[in-house]
Amino acid sequence: DVKVTQSSRYLVKRTGEKVFLECVQDMDHENMFWYRQDPGLGLRLIYFSYDVKMKEKGDIPEGYSVSREKKERFSLILESASTNQTSMYLCASTNGRSSGLIYEQYFGPGTRLTVT
Amino acid sequence: AQTVTQSQPEMSVQEAETVTLSCTYDTSENNYYLFWYKQPPSRQMILVIRQEAYKQQNATENRFSVNFQKAAKSFSLKISDSQLGDTAMYFCASAVTIANAGGTSYGKLTFGQGTILTVHP
Repeated sequence: DVKVTQSSRYLVKRTGEKVFLECVQDMDHENMFWYRQDPGLGLRLIYFSYDVKMKEKGDIPEGYSVSREKKERFSLILESASTNQTSMYLCASTNGRSSGLIYEQYFGPGTRLTVT
Repeated sequence: AQTVTQSQPEMSVQEAETVTLSCTYDTSENNYYLFWYKQPPSRQMILVIRQEAYKQQNATENRFSVNFQKAAKSFSLKISDSQLGDTAMYFCASAVTIANAGGTSYGKLTFGQGTILTVHP
Protein backbone atom coordinates (compact mmCIF):
# COMPACT_ATOMS: atom_id res chain seq x y z
CA ASP A 1 0.00 0.00 0.00
CA VAL A 2 1.23 3.42 -0.98
CA LYS A 3 2.37 5.51 1.95
CA VAL A 4 3.50 9.07 2.52
CA THR A 5 4.10 10.10 6.11
CA GLN A 6 4.81 13.45 7.71
CA SER A 7 6.68 13.91 10.95
CA SER A 8 4.00 15.85 12.82
CA ARG A 9 0.24 16.37 12.54
CA TYR A 10 0.27 19.54 14.63
CA LEU A 11 3.10 21.93 15.36
CA VAL A 12 3.24 25.23 17.26
CA LYS A 13 6.29 27.45 16.88
CA ARG A 14 7.27 30.97 17.81
CA THR A 15 8.09 33.75 15.38
CA GLY A 16 11.74 33.63 14.38
CA GLU A 17 12.24 29.93 15.10
CA LYS A 18 13.74 27.59 12.54
CA VAL A 19 11.19 24.92 11.64
CA PHE A 20 11.71 21.57 9.96
CA LEU A 21 8.88 19.62 8.40
CA GLU A 22 9.75 16.15 7.23
CA CYS A 23 8.15 13.84 4.74
CA VAL A 24 8.94 10.21 3.97
CA GLN A 25 7.58 8.05 1.16
CA ASP A 26 8.02 4.30 0.76
CA MET A 27 7.15 3.99 -2.94
CA ASP A 28 10.60 4.68 -4.43
CA HIS A 29 9.16 7.76 -6.12
CA GLU A 30 11.49 10.15 -7.87
CA ASN A 31 9.34 13.26 -7.47
CA MET A 32 8.38 14.86 -4.18
CA PHE A 33 6.46 18.06 -3.51
CA TRP A 34 5.62 20.48 -0.72
CA TYR A 35 2.36 22.41 -0.80
CA ARG A 36 0.65 24.76 1.57
CA GLN A 37 -3.10 24.72 1.90
CA ASP A 38 -5.02 27.84 2.93
CA PRO A 39 -8.79 28.44 3.01
CA GLY A 40 -10.07 29.90 -0.22
CA LEU A 41 -6.73 29.42 -1.96
CA GLY A 42 -6.56 25.67 -2.41
CA LEU A 43 -3.10 24.09 -2.56
CA ARG A 44 -0.10 26.05 -3.75
CA LEU A 45 3.24 24.50 -4.68
CA ILE A 46 6.19 25.65 -2.57
CA TYR A 47 9.05 23.44 -3.80
CA PHE A 48 9.57 20.34 -5.83
CA SER A 49 12.38 17.76 -5.99
CA TYR A 50 12.95 15.32 -8.83
CA ASP A 51 16.02 13.56 -7.45
CA VAL A 52 18.35 13.45 -4.47
CA LYS A 53 19.86 16.89 -3.88
CA MET A 54 17.86 18.35 -6.79
CA LYS A 55 15.13 20.91 -6.25
CA GLU A 56 13.10 23.46 -8.13
CA LYS A 57 11.06 26.39 -6.90
CA GLY A 58 7.32 26.20 -7.06
CA ASP A 59 4.87 29.06 -7.13
CA ILE A 60 5.46 30.42 -3.61
CA PRO A 61 9.04 29.58 -2.50
CA GLU A 62 9.74 32.79 -0.61
CA GLY A 63 10.58 32.17 3.04
CA TYR A 64 11.13 28.44 2.52
CA SER A 65 13.96 26.11 1.61
CA VAL A 66 14.10 22.35 1.13
CA SER A 67 16.49 19.45 1.51
CA ARG A 68 16.55 16.05 -0.10
CA GLU A 69 19.53 13.97 1.02
CA LYS A 70 17.85 10.59 0.50
CA LYS A 71 15.37 9.56 -2.15
CA GLU A 72 12.62 8.72 0.33
CA ARG A 73 12.89 11.86 2.46
CA PHE A 74 12.05 15.47 1.61
CA SER A 75 12.28 18.23 4.20
CA LEU A 76 10.74 21.67 4.19
CA ILE A 77 12.60 24.32 6.18
CA LEU A 78 11.33 27.62 7.47
CA GLU A 79 14.53 29.50 8.26
CA SER A 80 12.78 32.11 10.42
CA ALA A 81 9.12 31.34 10.94
CA SER A 82 6.63 34.16 10.59
CA THR A 83 2.94 34.37 11.44
CA ASN A 84 1.99 34.46 7.76
CA GLN A 85 3.42 30.97 7.45
CA THR A 86 0.70 29.57 9.69
CA SER A 87 -0.92 27.02 7.41
CA MET A 88 -1.51 23.38 6.60
CA TYR A 89 1.50 21.85 4.84
CA LEU A 90 1.06 18.85 2.60
CA CYS A 91 3.77 16.63 1.16
CA ALA A 92 3.21 14.54 -1.96
CA SER A 93 5.15 12.16 -4.16
CA THR A 94 4.80 10.69 -7.60
CA ASN A 95 6.49 8.30 -9.98
CA GLY A 96 8.90 10.07 -12.31
CA ARG A 97 9.66 7.22 -14.69
CA SER A 98 6.34 6.37 -16.29
CA SER A 99 4.57 8.98 -18.37
CA GLY A 100 1.26 7.50 -17.36
CA LEU A 101 1.96 7.84 -13.68
CA ILE A 102 3.72 11.18 -13.32
CA TYR A 103 0.47 13.00 -12.69
CA GLU A 104 -0.89 10.89 -9.87
CA GLN A 105 0.33 12.39 -6.66
CA TYR A 106 0.11 10.60 -3.35
CA PHE A 107 -0.32 12.85 -0.35
CA GLY A 108 0.73 12.72 3.26
CA PRO A 109 -1.73 13.51 6.08
CA GLY A 110 -0.54 17.09 6.44
CA THR A 111 1.05 19.17 9.19
CA ARG A 112 -0.95 21.98 10.74
CA LEU A 113 1.65 24.61 11.62
CA THR A 114 0.80 27.53 13.86
CA VAL A 115 3.33 30.33 14.28
CA THR A 116 2.68 32.63 17.24
CA ALA B 1 -0.34 29.48 -16.81
CA GLN B 2 -3.04 27.22 -15.49
CA THR B 3 -5.99 28.40 -13.45
CA VAL B 4 -8.71 26.32 -11.82
CA THR B 5 -11.88 27.77 -10.34
CA GLN B 6 -14.38 26.13 -8.04
CA SER B 7 -17.25 28.54 -7.52
CA GLN B 8 -19.05 26.57 -4.81
CA PRO B 9 -17.34 26.98 -1.44
CA GLU B 10 -19.84 24.66 0.25
CA MET B 11 -22.43 22.14 -0.83
CA SER B 12 -24.73 19.80 1.02
CA VAL B 13 -26.73 16.77 0.00
CA GLN B 14 -28.95 14.20 1.63
CA GLU B 15 -27.74 10.65 1.89
CA ALA B 16 -28.57 8.55 -1.20
CA GLU B 17 -29.14 11.62 -3.38
CA THR B 18 -26.99 12.92 -6.23
CA VAL B 19 -24.82 16.02 -6.11
CA THR B 20 -22.71 17.79 -8.72
CA LEU B 21 -19.61 19.84 -7.93
CA SER B 22 -18.54 22.42 -10.49
CA CYS B 23 -15.10 23.25 -11.80
CA THR B 24 -13.81 25.42 -14.63
CA TYR B 25 -10.23 25.68 -15.76
CA ASP B 26 -8.08 27.58 -18.16
CA THR B 27 -5.00 26.35 -19.96
CA SER B 28 -3.10 27.05 -23.14
CA GLU B 29 -1.82 23.47 -23.30
CA ASN B 30 -3.18 20.86 -25.69
CA ASN B 31 -2.18 17.91 -23.54
CA TYR B 32 -3.32 18.01 -19.96
CA TYR B 33 -5.06 15.97 -17.32
CA LEU B 34 -7.85 16.83 -14.95
CA PHE B 35 -8.42 15.41 -11.50
CA TRP B 36 -10.78 15.43 -8.58
CA TYR B 37 -9.19 14.88 -5.20
CA LYS B 38 -11.01 14.22 -1.94
CA GLN B 39 -9.76 15.37 1.44
CA PRO B 40 -11.80 13.84 4.29
CA PRO B 41 -11.77 15.39 7.76
CA SER B 42 -8.76 13.18 8.62
CA ARG B 43 -6.90 15.32 6.05
CA GLN B 44 -5.27 12.65 3.84
CA MET B 45 -5.90 13.71 0.26
CA ILE B 46 -6.84 10.89 -2.11
CA LEU B 47 -7.45 10.77 -5.83
CA VAL B 48 -11.09 10.25 -6.79
CA ILE B 49 -11.04 10.35 -10.57
CA ARG B 50 -8.90 11.47 -13.49
CA GLN B 51 -9.65 12.52 -17.05
CA GLU B 52 -7.23 12.75 -19.95
CA ALA B 53 -8.03 15.80 -22.06
CA TYR B 54 -7.56 13.89 -25.31
CA LYS B 55 -10.29 11.42 -24.37
CA GLN B 56 -13.83 12.45 -25.21
CA GLN B 57 -15.43 9.79 -23.06
CA ASN B 58 -16.23 10.94 -19.55
CA ALA B 59 -14.40 9.06 -16.80
CA THR B 60 -16.35 7.07 -14.23
CA GLU B 61 -15.32 5.37 -11.01
CA ASN B 62 -18.17 3.55 -9.34
CA ARG B 63 -20.48 6.24 -7.92
CA PHE B 64 -18.25 9.07 -9.19
CA SER B 65 -18.41 10.39 -12.73
CA VAL B 66 -17.34 13.54 -14.52
CA ASN B 67 -18.89 15.75 -17.15
CA PHE B 68 -15.96 16.97 -19.21
CA GLN B 69 -16.80 19.80 -21.58
CA LYS B 70 -13.53 20.61 -23.30
CA ALA B 71 -14.69 23.57 -25.35
CA ALA B 72 -16.27 25.18 -22.31
CA LYS B 73 -13.29 24.19 -20.13
CA SER B 74 -15.62 22.70 -17.59
CA PHE B 75 -15.03 19.59 -15.50
CA SER B 76 -17.78 18.79 -13.02
CA LEU B 77 -17.95 15.86 -10.62
CA LYS B 78 -21.17 13.96 -10.06
CA ILE B 79 -21.56 11.81 -6.96
CA SER B 80 -24.46 9.40 -7.13
CA ASP B 81 -26.07 7.66 -4.17
CA SER B 82 -24.21 9.94 -1.74
CA GLN B 83 -22.88 8.32 1.42
CA LEU B 84 -21.91 9.79 4.77
CA GLY B 85 -18.31 8.88 4.00
CA ASP B 86 -18.37 11.23 1.02
CA THR B 87 -18.29 14.18 3.43
CA ALA B 88 -15.03 15.92 2.61
CA MET B 89 -13.35 18.83 0.90
CA TYR B 90 -13.13 18.21 -2.84
CA PHE B 91 -10.45 19.76 -5.01
CA CYS B 92 -10.44 20.01 -8.75
CA ALA B 93 -6.98 20.13 -10.34
CA SER B 94 -5.41 20.39 -13.77
CA ALA B 95 -2.00 18.99 -14.63
CA VAL B 96 0.49 19.60 -17.39
CA THR B 97 3.84 18.00 -18.08
CA ILE B 98 6.91 19.96 -17.05
CA ALA B 99 10.40 18.92 -18.09
CA ASN B 100 12.87 19.39 -15.27
CA ALA B 101 16.59 20.04 -15.34
CA GLY B 102 17.33 16.38 -14.70
CA GLY B 103 15.87 15.26 -18.02
CA THR B 104 12.76 13.65 -16.55
CA SER B 105 9.28 15.06 -16.32
CA TYR B 106 6.67 15.66 -13.72
CA GLY B 107 3.04 16.57 -13.70
CA LYS B 108 2.51 20.02 -12.25
CA LEU B 109 -0.85 20.27 -10.57
CA THR B 110 -2.83 23.46 -10.23
CA PHE B 111 -5.64 23.23 -7.70
CA GLY B 112 -8.94 24.99 -7.31
CA GLN B 113 -10.07 26.59 -4.08
CA GLY B 114 -11.98 23.52 -2.92
CA THR B 115 -15.62 22.71 -2.19
CA ILE B 116 -16.72 21.45 1.21
CA LEU B 117 -19.33 18.75 0.71
CA THR B 118 -21.50 17.67 3.63
CA VAL B 119 -23.69 14.59 3.32
CA HIS B 120 -26.60 14.63 5.75
CA PRO B 121 -28.28 11.46 7.03
